[in-house]
Amino acid sequence: GQNIDQPTEMTATEGAIVQINCTYQTSGFNGLFWYQQHAGEAPTFLSYNVLDGLEEKGRFSSFLSRSKGYSYLLLKELQMKDSASYLCAVRRGGSQGNLIFGKGTKLSVKP
Amino acid sequence: NAGVTQTPKFRILKIGQSMTLQCTQDMNHNYMYWYRQDPGMGLKLIYYSVGAGITDKGEVPNGYNVSRSTTEDFPLRLELAAPSQTSVYFCASSYRDRGTEAFFGQGTRLTVV
Repeated sequence: GQNIDQPTEMTATEGAIVQINCTYQTSGFNGLFWYQQHAGEAPTFLSYNVLDGLEEKGRFSSFLSRSKGYSYLLLKELQMKDSASYLCAVRRGGSQGNLIFGKGTKLSVKP
Repeated sequence: NAGVTQTPKFRILKIGQSMTLQCTQDMNHNYMYWYRQDPGMGLKLIYYSVGAGITDKGEVPNGYNVSRSTTEDFPLRLELAAPSQTSVYFCASSYRDRGTEAFFGQGTRLTVV
């Protein structure tokens, strides 16, 4: 089977740093993605990890540990516009290209 | 640069009716996906395709059918609509290479009454 877990909701203050965790158990692994989804909109791509370590992209960073089945998304210098859901997704390996999503973490940024 | 286009954007169906949700992409992507998203929930994979002529079931395929006759198109068919199929449906596509992200359509909001 497969399972992807994330916290349901988080709250943070504008200007602060927040870390959103994701743990996964999947049959096969071919990369982990983070997506941002504002209410009523489609998900948009934020970051991708396939090797262990940290990937940095501006205010956003994502970390992966394959041996622990663990990833996190780090958001720095939070802005009000960062209020959104953040979705962790794993692409299964081998001939199966499907992309499985967690339930998402709803982040609320407060002034 | 259209990307992934879904039609219709909104639809109300009566129980037992049928409909097809259309999805077209112009990026020559190999992989295409259909997801549903219920309120406050993540995305559940319905069906996916790794290329023209090839489709496979995802996590929640019951009540749906798909076809992939061309690289560009991946329609989703609901044969006998049920209230449990009320949801927002997203189509997505990506290249086969593992490092490439999926691009999403704007979604179809379906209500079954």
